[in-house]
Amino acid sequence: GAVVSQHPSRVICKSGTSVKIECRSLDFQATTMFWYRQFPKKSLMLMATSNEGSKATYEQGVEKDKFLINHASLTLSTLTVTSAHPEDSSFYICSAREQRTFNEQFFGPGTRLTVL
Amino acid sequence: AQKITQTQPGMFVQEKEAVTLDCTYDTSDPSYGLFWYKQPSSGEMIFLIYQGSYDQQNATEGRYSLNFQKARKSANLVISASQLGDSAMYFCAMREGWGSARQLTFGSGTQLTVLP
Repeated sequence: GAVVSQHPSRVICKSGTSVKIECRSLDFQATTMFWYRQFPKKSLMLMATSNEGSKATYEQGVEKDKFLINHASLTLSTLTVTSAHPEDSSFYICSAREQRTFNEQFFGPGTRLTVL
Repeated sequence: AQKITQTQPGMFVQEKEAVTLDCTYDTSDPSYGLFWYKQPSSGEMIFLIYQGSYDQQNATEGRYSLNFQKARKSANLVISASQLGDSAMYFCAMREGWGSARQLTFGSGTQLTVLP
């Protein structure tokens, strides 16, 4: 299956700093990428849908200015957590859908963010 | 109302036995897709199986099969001949409608433990 990478896999930062997480589709073009947040032992909650070349669509309750999403190319989307606080600590997962098929949605390995 | 319901927070199965993980869904859209993902402790989401709402036959992928009962709006995952490596969190998900921007909605998950 197609491969989606995320970087970094784990990040620890101080409160107030900004953290950028990259999501790349390695062997396919993804017009749409999705960003999820997952708390321990909980389900994945969609944060936003990212379309290449346009503004992301955020889910209700997700702060746009807090979680900046950029989808600059067909293979790269970034999530920046601005002025991170301990409550932003979570597991962030990106996902990409291949342009040619609507069925499979491929997930990155996730990024564990810990804000001290 | 919950779109995806997984009523079993935890399940145990003996190695080499079969196990069924329950999933019910709610949608008024005639076009939808149902997915099952496996999430081991490493965090990566692994796609297992897909069932389209118009598919006449139940989907099968190796040891995984999807028991699709459209009238009951259920899409249970059956894992045959369980292996120790099957121990993981399992998520049922649904995508309503068509188009690459349609997002997945996840259930709360079932933690499966395979006993030796």
